[in-house]
Amino acid sequence: DQQVKQNSPSLSVQEGRISILNCDYTNSMFDYFLWYKKYPAEGPTFLISISSIKDKNEDGRFTVFLNKSAKHLSLHIVPSQPGDSAVYFCAASRLYGGSQGNLIFGKGTKLSVKP
Amino acid sequence: DAGVTQSPTHLIKTRGQQVTLRCSPKSGHDTVSWYQQALGQGPQFIFQYYEEEERQRGNFPDRFSGHQFPNYSSELNVNALLLGDSALYLCASSFVDRPSYEQYFGPGTRLTVT
Repeated sequence: DQQVKQNSPSLSVQEGRISILNCDYTNSMFDYFLWYKKYPAEGPTFLISISSIKDKNEDGRFTVFLNKSAKHLSLHIVPSQPGDSAVYFCAASRLYGGSQGNLIFGKGTKLSVKP
Repeated sequence: DAGVTQSPTHLIKTRGQQVTLRCSPKSGHDTVSWYQQALGQGPQFIFQYYEEEERQRGNFPDRFSGHQFPNYSSELNVNALLLGDSALYLCASSFVDRPSYEQYFGPGTRLTVT
């Protein structure tokens, strides 16, 4: 049973517009949520995270929104750039023994930003 | 400052063989986690090592084992390889006592089992 779901395998956006990537989760006990970006032949690169006690976190062009009642989070990229074209993974984590736990990933959404 | 490094980059093995993958964490990090990424899927957690011990384990059989050395580097061993073990194996490093801190990933080792 998937605890973290990304229901859109792909998304195409025009350069300069907003990209919105969505993620749903089932376990209300998650403590942190993270977004990673992955280019082919490279490992995932951390983008932005949010604690379960927050509802928004912003870092430059990237903003993550968390809706705990809906068990839903989204990543907004504004403005989108061609270099943002990659696979985006949503991940969730629970504390383990009061310290860092493992990451549980969704299947990813492939974002294509067209010039 | 070198990030997470993994070796080898690619590996081809025959069913039934054994394989060892290696990982060096980002400087200063004390925790190493291993993930398996099958084609079209997100990474799946295998296990995490801290202070040379397996701290947490995902839903993988005992054929998957690991080790962490005093310098924090780590190995992943897979015995009796199956065709289904073909995947990208990712190593990630982090600080165990900073739960909000992201895990840094290496480029991965692409394992093909024939």
